[in-house]
Amino acid sequence: EAGVVQSPRYKIIEKKQPVAFWCNPISGHNTLYWYLQNLGQGPELLIRYENEEAVDDSQLPKDRFSAERLKGVDSTLKIQPAELGDSAVYLCASSYGLAGGREQFFGPGTRLTVL
Amino acid sequence: AQSVTQLGSHVSVSEGALVLLRCNYSSSVPPYLFWYVQYPNQGLQLLLKYTTGATLVKGINGFEAEFKKSETSFHLTKPSAHMSDAAEYFCAVSPFVGGTYKYIFGTGTRLKVLA
Repeated sequence: EAGVVQSPRYKIIEKKQPVAFWCNPISGHNTLYWYLQNLGQGPELLIRYENEEAVDDSQLPKDRFSAERLKGVDSTLKIQPAELGDSAVYLCASSYGLAGGREQFFGPGTRLTVL
Repeated sequence: AQSVTQLGSHVSVSEGALVLLRCNYSSSVPPYLFWYVQYPNQGLQLLLKYTTGATLVKGINGFEAEFKKSETSFHLTKPSAHMSDAAEYFCAVSPFVGGTYKYIFGTGTRLKVLA
């Protein structure tokens, strides 16, 4: 079974530029999560989708961050414009089922460096 | 606000010694509880989880954790450390708040195993 796929793995951009990250969850997983992980910290949830619906985006900085999950499968997270403080690892995870207590399967992450 | 505290950002043990990683949470209602492991440049992988039932939970690679409601703790243990256990470990909770499940990770504990 293929795991969660993320691309790109690494991205270096200059501040004020836009950037997008792509995630393909495990087949059949209806819940998808985007996390931000700063160096030496735990993941922080940005947004959670159940199928196509964003059910928790309370921690997403909506002035510059946006996300979409068309057709309830792949998802894209965008930052526009990027700031120096956005340098971090962006993790995507997926799980099966809609309730809490589900195991999340994580992708390897996209490491973003903003210069 | 819900929170997770991992005592000790770095823990060193000798190979063959007991591993004890501490996790305390704050929640008025016992949440779902998880331990994840992260190896360098990889995504997080579930070690074990507590949802309901038996408070002593066994996971992969010989790890186990005990949910103690009175102490709001979920400490992770392994009787005998192996070199391959060197990694970063994250405790996570999933409380039901405001009509939805939240996902909160601790700041992580980096385990070093000495030969």
